[in-house]
This record gives sequence, structure tokens and C-alpha cells, in this order.
Amino acid sequence: GIQVEQSPPDLILQEGANSTLRCNFSDSVNNLQWFHQNPWGQLINLFYIPSGTKQNGRLSATTVATERYSLLYISSSQTTDSGVYFCAGGGISGGSNYKLTFGKGTLLTVNP
Amino acid sequence: NAGVTQTPKFRVLKTGQSMTLLCAQDMNHEYMYWYRQDPGMGLRLIHYSVGEGTTAKGEVPDGYNVSRLKKQNFLLGLESAAPSQTSVYFCASSLQGASYEQYFGPGTRLTVT
Repeated sequence: GIQVEQSPPDLILQEGANSTLRCNFSDSVNNLQWFHQNPWGQLINLFYIPSGTKQNGRLSATTVATERYSLLYISSSQTTDSGVYFCAGGGISGGSNYKLTFGKGTLLTVNP
Repeated sequence: NAGVTQTPKFRVLKTGQSMTLLCAQDMNHEYMYWYRQDPGMGLRLIHYSVGEGTTAKGEVPDGYNVSRLKKQNFLLGLESAAPSQTSVYFCASSLQGASYEQYFGPGTRLTVT
């Protein structure tokens, strides 16, 4: 199956700083999603982005499908951005793109 | 519109006991999923369903059973709980179609002693 590698595993920022999180896939995916797990455990959809670039407020994401990676950008970080960020992908092979394989996540801590 | 709900939120079981976790969605989604989350492991797919009356195994199905008798509900059963099943369980659902974007419930924290 697909392997998903996220980097960095941990990140500590001061409020107001920018950051880039990366997700690499071992195989082609045509279903790629980013999630934020807040400190209370809730998983929140950030982006569905199998290719291209999307922006939502201070967050944006870019996926380069041909090179099998995706980036999540957080600008002007706030303490409420703290939590774990997961990327997950669904493969093209076997028509199973609805099944997601998750990375191990990036733990982001934003200090005031 | 409640989205995806899970019952119960917390549960403690003794080894060998059984229980059922309930997931319900009101978004008319065809696809539903059960994941478990363990420290440092991300989320791993246990079982999934692509429609009412269908179920299939995911990455870590051993020790679990599922049923999808109604489109809006997806049940996860543990017949004989083991300490290795201590975890946080998440249910998710998605539409059938181009994106399959998944929406998650709040999770159930299960401890098996």
C-alpha cells in the first residue's frame, strides 16, 4: 500500500511566524486531504487537494501530483493553530482512492 | 445538521468483555469508515463500507466486526476486548463521487484493562 511520510514530526513556533509542512507519498494518489486535530482531539478538514493550490485564510496548500508531495503553509500563526496536522492519501491503483492512508502527523505548538 | 456523531465518548472495558460503538451520519453519505488512532501511529483503517449492507476489511481488521444495516449508521463491535484494543476510535463518512472528502466524528476513547 501507499506510504505517507510527513515532516517535520514536531514544530515549535512563536505566534506570528510562518511555517511549511510537507507530505511525501510513495505512490501516485488522486485523493489527498489535510486535516487538523485540535488539542481536544477533533479532526477537522482543511483541504481536499489532489493537485494544484488552494487557500483558506491564513492557510494554503499545494500538491505537485507528478512528484508525489504536498505542502501546507501556515502564515502568521496563532496559538489556536496548535495541534497535529495530518495528510492522507488515496491511491489510484485498484480503484481504491476513497480509502485514505494517513501519515503520522506533524505536532505544531504555537507559543504566545 | 449534526454531521457525524459517535456513541459513547468514553468507555472502560475489562479484558474479554464485548461492546459496540455506534456511528451515525445525517449527510446522506454512501461511504463510512472506522479508524483507530494510537500514539505516534496516525490513523489506521479498521473496516469500511461503500453502501448499506456492505462492509470490507481495512488495514487492521482483526478483533473487530462491523455492520451497516442502515445507510446512516455504521457499527463497530469488539467481541472479546483485549488490552491491545485500547485506543481512540474515529468514524468518518464521505460522499460517493469525485472527491470522497472524509468527515470525522468526535471519537471514542476506549480503555481495556
